[in-house]
Amino acid sequence: AQSVTQLGSHVSVSEGALVLLRCNYSSSVPPYLFWYVQYPNQGLQLLLKYTTGATLVKGINGFEAEFKKSETSFHLTKPSAHMSDAAEYFCAVSETNDYKLSFGAGTTVTVRA
Amino acid sequence: GAGVSQSPRYKVAKRGQDVALRCDPISGHVSLFWYQQALGQGPEFLTYFQNEAQLDKSGLPSDRFFAERPEGSVSTLKIQRTQQEDSAVYLCASSRTGTSVDEQFFGPGTRLTVL
Repeated sequence: AQSVTQLGSHVSVSEGALVLLRCNYSSSVPPYLFWYVQYPNQGLQLLLKYTTGATLVKGINGFEAEFKKSETSFHLTKPSAHMSDAAEYFCAVSETNDYKLSFGAGTTVTVRA
Repeated sequence: GAGVSQSPRYKVAKRGQDVALRCDPISGHVSLFWYQQALGQGPEFLTYFQNEAQLDKSGLPSDRFFAERPEGSVSTLKIQRTQQEDSAVYLCASSRTGTSVDEQFFGPGTRLTVL
């Protein structure tokens, strides 16, 4: 069975500062990994995903994440936070060839002016 | 339509009432998923359809929960005899195929409050 742990339920950053959201997973085999963003009253939107190949994945809105098998991690970063980045972020995993997504509990990001 | 739509967006039910939640997936998408998101938690898988076939209902919490997709397009999640613990946001997602590499597109959800 898979599980996803997101360290920190709330993160507050200053505008222009680095955003770092942590995600660790447990799986018997390297899974597929995803980051989703959820704005208030909207559905989840895919930021980026890792399936195979390059372990550094670039997504939308300037976000990127690095798959580290040895650390079972898939942390999300953005070099410079913007006010529009304020939202809730979810890390998710799925087994290869499986359709089900298992989500972490989410991290709420606030951006200070 | 441009995206996945869900209705109603908000539903308040008295304990014991039956409710029906609707999902309109993106046109042409083969796969449809339902997730339940409790307050402060991430979404949890409920059930999965490929066209009209319900291939996985392992996440449905009890036999009070029932989902259908009779024509392989619109889906309805029905909850009978609602309980307070059913209060959550119910998310619907669709994908072009259904493999894990394929992006799931999520609707805005239906927030169900059971009093």
